[in-house]
Amino acid sequence: AQKVTQAQTEISVVEKEDVTLDCVYETRDTTYYLFWYKQPPSGELVFLIRRNSFDEQNEISGRYSWNFQKSTSSFNFTITASQVVDSAVYFCALSPTGNQFYFGTGTSLTVIP
Amino acid sequence: DAGITQSPRHKVTETGTPVTLRCHQTENHRYMYWYRQDPGHGLRLIHYSYGVKDTDKGEVSDGYSVSRSKTEDFLLTLESATSSQTSVYFCAISEAEGGFDNSPLHFGNGTRLTVT
Repeated sequence: AQKVTQAQTEISVVEKEDVTLDCVYETRDTTYYLFWYKQPPSGELVFLIRRNSFDEQNEISGRYSWNFQKSTSSFNFTITASQVVDSAVYFCALSPTGNQFYFGTGTSLTVIP
Repeated sequence: DAGITQSPRHKVTETGTPVTLRCHQTENHRYMYWYRQDPGHGLRLIHYSYGVKDTDKGEVSDGYSVSRSKTEDFLLTLESATSSQTSVYFCAISEAEGGFDNSPLHFGNGTRLTVT
């Protein structure tokens, strides 16, 4: 079975705080991809990052960083020095072989000015 | 932005009426998907297509059908709409060509459907 769990339904932080969004996945496939998407209040879904199961290197892009740990089946997303524009719903997704995608239920992040 | 257009953007319909949502892409991609988004459920796959006339069911396909007669268009039909189908529907495309590619999905702007 394929499953993505985002246990944090809602998070609120004060601007400039760091925040980590958790993502835990389940799959029996040995080869798979993981993704993060952002959905701002305007409603569109924006692709942020893709990571394959063979690459456990952490990635940093500006204030965003991702920590992939196969040992704990987690792919966490950290925003450093959060800004109001980071307020959005964030989705983690798993794609094993076959080009199907399984999404978590999302984490709603509110950054308070 | 990926060339994906969903129509209509908003629709209100009555229970029992048929409804068709359209997704149009200008990218000539092989894979197209229909998802629905509901509070507490995230995004759930309804149907997807991996080529003209090639479609398959997702996890919440009951009550929905799809058709893909051209590469650029993927239609989602609710044969007899029910209130439980009130949702936001997203179309997505992927530039994957098959096999283990798993290119990211790029989404349209969504269709908000209300069934009264």
